[in-house]
Amino acid sequence: GQQLNQSPQSMFIQEGEDVSMNCTSSSIFNTWLWYKQDPGEGPVLLIALYKAGELTSNGRLTAQFGITRKDSFLNISASIPSDVGIYFCALNTHAGNNRKLIWGLGTSLAVNP
Amino acid sequence: GAGVSQSPSNKVTEKGKDVELRCDPISGHTALYWYRQSLGQGLEFLIYFQGNSAPDKSGLPSDRFSAERTGGSVSTLTIQRTQQEDSAVYLCASSLATTGWSSYEQYFGPGTRLTVT
Repeated sequence: GQQLNQSPQSMFIQEGEDVSMNCTSSSIFNTWLWYKQDPGEGPVLLIALYKAGELTSNGRLTAQFGITRKDSFLNISASIPSDVGIYFCALNTHAGNNRKLIWGLGTSLAVNP
Repeated sequence: GAGVSQSPSNKVTEKGKDVELRCDPISGHTALYWYRQSLGQGLEFLIYFQGNSAPDKSGLPSDRFSAERTGGSVSTLTIQRTQQEDSAVYLCASSLATTGWSSYEQYFGPGTRLTVT
């Protein structure tokens, strides 16, 4: 079946540092989504990517849909304590109107003030 | 506007009992998803309702799990004869449409934490 690898599994950084995480897929896909989950909450959509090569920013966050359509990265610049949480990538590979997503296992981010 | 809501927020039940978890999606959202998340793990897809189409039940782990969505809005996930391995956070999400770019963007509720003792 479809495999989605997300790395790193966890990160511990100092406040102010930049962060990069990525996801790779065993097959091509048509949609990449990046979510963040705070403790005790549901995931919140950060960035959605729909075209190969697309680079999208949301404040200090930047994400890119790889040109090969098999990978994506998420960068966080100048990290702050509230960036703490688990970041998930998700993708849709289904044809037609099936909108079911496949999810990475997440990158847990800890920020030391 | 109101987001996705779930109830109860926490549920403790004895092994063997049945439980019902409720999800109220964002008004007007036609697609609804249930996921399960074990401690420190990713999201495990359970079931997906899309408009008036037959639900995608491919993620339900056993026949003890079932879900329904009444009137295209509220959904209930039922777990019969609960087992300790059912302990997890159950998350519900909804999305606006069944076609178009926005249909991929899921909005989550806070989850129901289920503990089976």
